[in-house]
Order: sequence, then structure tokens, then C-alpha cells
Amino acid sequence: NAGVMQNPRHLVRRRGQEARLRCSPMKGHSHVYWYRQLPEEGLKFMVYLQKENIIDESGMPKERFSAEFPKEGPSILRIQQVVRGDSAAYFCASSSGTSETQYFGPGTRLLVL
Amino acid sequence: AQTVTQSQPEMSVQEAETVTLSCTYDTSESDYYLFWYKQPPSRQMILVIRQEAYKQQNATENRFSVNFQKAAKSFSLKISDSQLGDAAMYFCAYRGGFANAGKSTFGDGTTLTVKP
Repeated sequence: NAGVMQNPRHLVRRRGQEARLRCSPMKGHSHVYWYRQLPEEGLKFMVYLQKENIIDESGMPKERFSAEFPKEGPSILRIQQVVRGDSAAYFCASSSGTSETQYFGPGTRLLVL
Repeated sequence: AQTVTQSQPEMSVQEAETVTLSCTYDTSESDYYLFWYKQPPSRQMILVIRQEAYKQQNATENRFSVNFQKAAKSFSLKISDSQLGDAAMYFCAYRGGFANAGKSTFGDGTTLTVKP
């Protein structure tokens, strides 16, 4: 049973470009969570999605960031017009239910030049 | 809002000895979950142990155990017979009950060094 998959593992963008991060949850999991980890810090919650629905986006910056989890395919975290401060590791986690353990993917390291 | 505090930025332990990592949290909820995650240099987040707040018994997983003090809002991790492979950053995490379920709140982490 494959774990949570994230791609790409490393992404380099220039300021003003768009970044698209993908997350495929574990088989049987319909709950997806995105977290951001800045250097030397803990993970900070961004957004919680179920299939086709955003459940909680209280940690998502109001501008430039969006997330989706379509009926088919992976969850996508999209960052428009990236800035240097967006450089971070972005982790996706999935679970089989709201109260169930979240299992993390390997993360995507975004570097904005 | 819930907060998680790890007051020890760095800890070290001799191989084969025992070390305890501290974690405190603040919440007004009575139903919640607590976790310890390990992040080795690969930066993969690995679940170490999980504790449900309604359970009085402390969780254990092989060499890893917790001391969960609900009234004190304390959730420490004890690693027995430390091994070189235990060296990593350890994060304490809180997740709320039904009303606030979903998102986890993480502490800033404790870097554990294991000396041979």
C-alpha cells in the first residue's frame, strides 16, 4: 500500500511565476491536509480538503494561494506570482477520517529565486 | 486558539540511555488527540506515537512511551535505550476533537542528538 505521494520533490521558480504542488493521498484516504514548514520552524496548517470540498482554509494566505481536491486526481496546491518568502517545504498529509491519524508525504521543497 | 510549546530546542543523549522530550499545550477542548512525529534529515515526517485525550492509559510503542498529564496539559515523550537512528527533530502535535478536527497544531520542535 503506497504512502502519500507528493511531486515534485523539489521545485525552483523565479519570482512572479506559478508553483503547482501535487499530492496523492494514501489508498482509501479521502481527507487531505496541506502544511508549510519554514526553515527551523514547525509545520503550520494551511488547508483541509475532502473530495471536491474545502473544509477548513483558515491557515491559507488570502492572496495568491489556492487548493483543490477534485473528484478524480491528486490534490493541488497552487501558488501564483511566487515571492521569495514562499520558499519553504510544503507537506501534504492524508487520513481516512477526520479523527484518524494523518500520514505525511515526503514534502515538496520550493525555492524561489 | 490551541498552542503547542516545546521548551527544549535541543537535547542530547548517550546511546543506550533514556531521554525525555517535553511538550505542553493549551486548549479549552476536552476531546482531542496528541501526537509525536519524528523528522530525520530526510525531512520525512514519521508518526512516532498517538494519544487520545479520553484514554487515561499512556500510549507506548516499543521503546517510545508518553507521559500524558491531562490536567497539567503536558505530553512528554520518553525514548528508552536510545539508538543512533533516533537522532532527528521531534515535533509534538495537537489535533482537536470534532468541532476543530482536521488541522494539527505543531510545536517548533526539539532536535535530538544521540552520542555514540
